[in-house]
Amino acid sequence: DAGITQSPRHKVTETGTPVTLRCHQTENHRYMYWYRQDPGHGLRLIHYSYGVKDTDKGEVSDGYSVSRSKTEDFLLTLESATSSQTSVYFCAATPAGGNTGELFFGEGSRLTVL
Amino acid sequence: EDKVVQSPLSLVVHEGDTVTLNCSYEVTNFRSLLWYKQEKKAPTFLFMLTSSGIEKKSGRLSSILDKKELFSILNITATQTGDSAVYLCAVEGYGQNFVFGPGTRLSVLP
Repeated sequence: DAGITQSPRHKVTETGTPVTLRCHQTENHRYMYWYRQDPGHGLRLIHYSYGVKDTDKGEVSDGYSVSRSKTEDFLLTLESATSSQTSVYFCAATPAGGNTGELFFGEGSRLTVL
Repeated sequence: EDKVVQSPLSLVVHEGDTVTLNCSYEVTNFRSLLWYKQEKKAPTFLFMLTSSGIEKKSGRLSSILDKKELFSILNITATQTGDSAVYLCAVEGYGQNFVFGPGTRLSVLP
């Protein structure tokens, strides 16, 4: 158990509304990531964080923002949700500060934008 | 741009068959290659490979990395229906950035 929890696990919202997904970890991992998973695309990186207040964009960052004010929490915000953001979102973290290592995942958050 | 390609994208076999899944990559400052198994929910870790030619093995699963030719294979022998899943290959590159391939969907029929 990598101690990564995501909330909410399921959410249905309407186009144009803001949405925030939360990732909470208890293992003091330095690096945290948000991915989205869609059929045929595998996991695509949205944003990642390499420390408190240190974040960077991934491959599919348009329409998303993140914040990391504490080591344990990494928030993903959709400022104005669109139907193309319907997806399963996974948070992940690596267990050591800057070392090559396994990537642990949360259980995923399924978001539906109507 | 970092890239990971997996083949085949989909595979159907019968119990007892042996399968080989392929992963090729292009990545800046390669650090490691990882294999994951994903059933209905979050991916679960299988292997991490960092050195060429050294086989990692766990039960009926094994994997090897070729850093010269930039690919890895995942072998599953004597497949069982419980092996049915999507198998994801990921490469860790520059800045602790993990790039995933599209996955191979394996279906094992009884």
